[in-house]
Amino acid sequence: NAGVTQTPKFQVLKTGQSMTLQCAQDMNHEYMSWYRQDPGMGLRLIHYSVGAGITDQGEVPNGYNVSRSTTEDFPLRLLSAAPSQTSVYFCASSYMVGGIDTQYFGPGTRLTVL
Amino acid sequence: GQQVMQIPQYQHVQEGEDFTTYCNSSTTLSNIQWYKQRPGGHPVFLIQLVKSGEVKKQKRLTFQFGEAKKNSSLHITATQTTDVGTYFCAGRDNYGQNFVFGPGTRLSVLP
Repeated sequence: NAGVTQTPKFQVLKTGQSMTLQCAQDMNHEYMSWYRQDPGMGLRLIHYSVGAGITDQGEVPNGYNVSRSTTEDFPLRLLSAAPSQTSVYFCASSYMVGGIDTQYFGPGTRLTVL
Repeated sequence: GQQVMQIPQYQHVQEGEDFTTYCNSSTTLSNIQWYKQRPGGHPVFLIQLVKSGEVKKQKRLTFQFGEAKKNSSLHITATQTTDVGTYFCAGRDNYGQNFVFGPGTRLSVLP
């Protein structure tokens, strides 16, 4: 299993540009999520999905869109990039066994918006 | 909304010393998780605690969930250089589906 994969690893955008961060998992997990990580602030939830066709907003959804057409893929779209969106973005998927949610994180995408 | 805090923000220890990080939630939690993130890496799940007063051990790591289920701690005995990284707690309250992460404690271990 490849686990959770993310592309690209690094990206530089200009203000106003749009782009899609890709996330895929091959573990057949129903739950997937996107976080952003900024220095000193931990991870903040952007959007999440409990299964194909179902998405919902997290703590910081503004400026981002998601879709979940398949169990495997959960892309994150930046509609019009702003410098405040400079961050490291992590995708995660999880499953529950015995009452324990184990979240698996991808390697991250480091995004800089100029 | 739910807030999760961690102290200290940074900790520098000499190899072989013990280390503890504390996690506090503004609301009662249904469960709490701990993650480790190596420099330049991604968070890796360590453990989940569910029961009030629960204590779990993983080799030199001891995790504890408070009696009131509003706080938790991670204690590392006799730190090693491989323990370097940032330790995050993430709590889920009784009403939420998702986990809220604390800001993390960055551990440096001097050889």
